[in-house]
Amino acid sequence: DSGVTQTPKHLITATGQRVTLRCSPRSGDLSVYWYQQSLDQGLQFLIQYYNGEERAKGNILERFSAQQFPDLHSELNLSSLELGDSALYFCASSVAGQPGNTIYFGEGSWLTVV
Amino acid sequence: GQNIDQPTEMTATEGAIVQINCTYQTSGFNGLFWYQQHAGEAPTFLSYNVLDGLEEKGRFSSFLSRSKGYSYLLLKELQMKDSASYLCAFMDSNYQLIWGAGTKLIIKP
Repeated sequence: DSGVTQTPKHLITATGQRVTLRCSPRSGDLSVYWYQQSLDQGLQFLIQYYNGEERAKGNILERFSAQQFPDLHSELNLSSLELGDSALYFCASSVAGQPGNTIYFGEGSWLTVV
Repeated sequence: GQNIDQPTEMTATEGAIVQINCTYQTSGFNGLFWYQQHAGEAPTFLSYNVLDGLEEKGRFSSFLSRSKGYSYLLLKELQMKDSASYLCAFMDSNYQLIWGAGTKLIIKP
């Protein structure tokens, strides 16, 4: 158990819909990362937050947005869903995103768009 | 620019030794990570190298050469449970992790 909690674990929704994925980082971690992993693909970095502020942005679509709240939990919002958005979405956290800070992954949220 | 490369797939025999290579190019470097990921599961941390040399942790060792932009993960006494994808990632000058696509390791009896 990495200490990173993600909900829901599984989600099935229809095209055009909107979903919210939730993440609670490890106790004491200030940095949260979101990744997308499609079937048999590598990790695609979406976005990083540090202590409530956006720190880095990767290949995140305009239909997707995220935020980190004062209690440090984070949410990833996916809207106007398409079939291609079906993937495993990982949240990860680290102390501060500094050299040597290991990032720890949650178990992921499986999203299936039908 | 930045890039990172590792083989797509490797096959090895139970009980043997396998070396998974990772090469990278970057102007700023703050260490290299190796993670293990079983299919459908979360990546789990294996090792972190920031200085040149070999770091040993039980059956797993990781090596780094910063001048060559090269790292490898060495797995000894392979077990069937080691069948997984192995991801290398370097941390760049902005403290961002740049991930390789992963090496799928298949262990045969």
